[in-house]
Amino acid sequence: EVQLVESGGGLVQPGGSLRLSCAASGFTFSSYWMSWVRQAPGKGLEWVANIKQDGSEKYYVDSVKGRFTISRDNAKNSLYLQMNSLRAEDTAVYYCARDPLPKRRSPSYFDYWGQGTLVTVSS
Amino acid sequence: EIVLTQSPGTLSLSPGERATLSCRASQSVSSSYLAWYQQKPGQAPRLLIYGASSRATGIPDRFSGSGSGTDFTLTISRLEPEDFAVYYCQQYGSSPPPYTFGQGTKLEIK
Repeated sequence: EVQLVESGGGLVQPGGSLRLSCAASGFTFSSYWMSWVRQAPGKGLEWVANIKQDGSEKYYVDSVKGRFTISRDNAKNSLYLQMNSLRAEDTAVYYCARDPLPKRRSPSYFDYWGQGTLVTVSS
Repeated sequence: EIVLTQSPGTLSLSPGERATLSCRASQSVSSSYLAWYQQKPGQAPRLLIYGASSRATGIPDRFSGSGSGTDFTLTISRLEPEDFAVYYCQQYGSSPPPYTFGQGTKLEIK
């Protein structure tokens, strides 16, 4: 059974940093593109970043470029999101999500999602 | 960046009725790379449709997707009580990303 379990969320002050983790199981993690998607309270979904199977390609939404870094450790079946210079508008539930097919050249949609971890940026 | 606009914002229908949800793109979506998701309160999104018209594994056949280019539709043929939720479309045709979502349509019980 595919499982994605996020952790690392919490309350942080503006300008602070946080590192989110996503533990994957039930599939060959190293074969899939992986993404982070967020949802501000009461709002819609926003794709944040994704990373290729071997980490060689990474893409970000403009609003987080230069502040967030996506990474992965295939030996640990884990995905990460390092978030620096956090702003109030980064407050959201952050979901880890999997691409549907292994070994794809390009990322696509998401077939499995974690339950999310809440990040609150406030003083 | 491709902007997706969903309509209506809220749709009020009764169980057994037919629901038609629209997703319009600001420019053509390459190869009909459009997906639909369902989200219930407190839950993660659930994949319904990919490639504009292919149902994901385990999705009932009352859900269907259609469209191409800039206009896409999600149809629920006969609403069940568990279908009342928020629905999002997402395009994944732009290269490189971003892979944008629509703002969502809330399907509520009338």
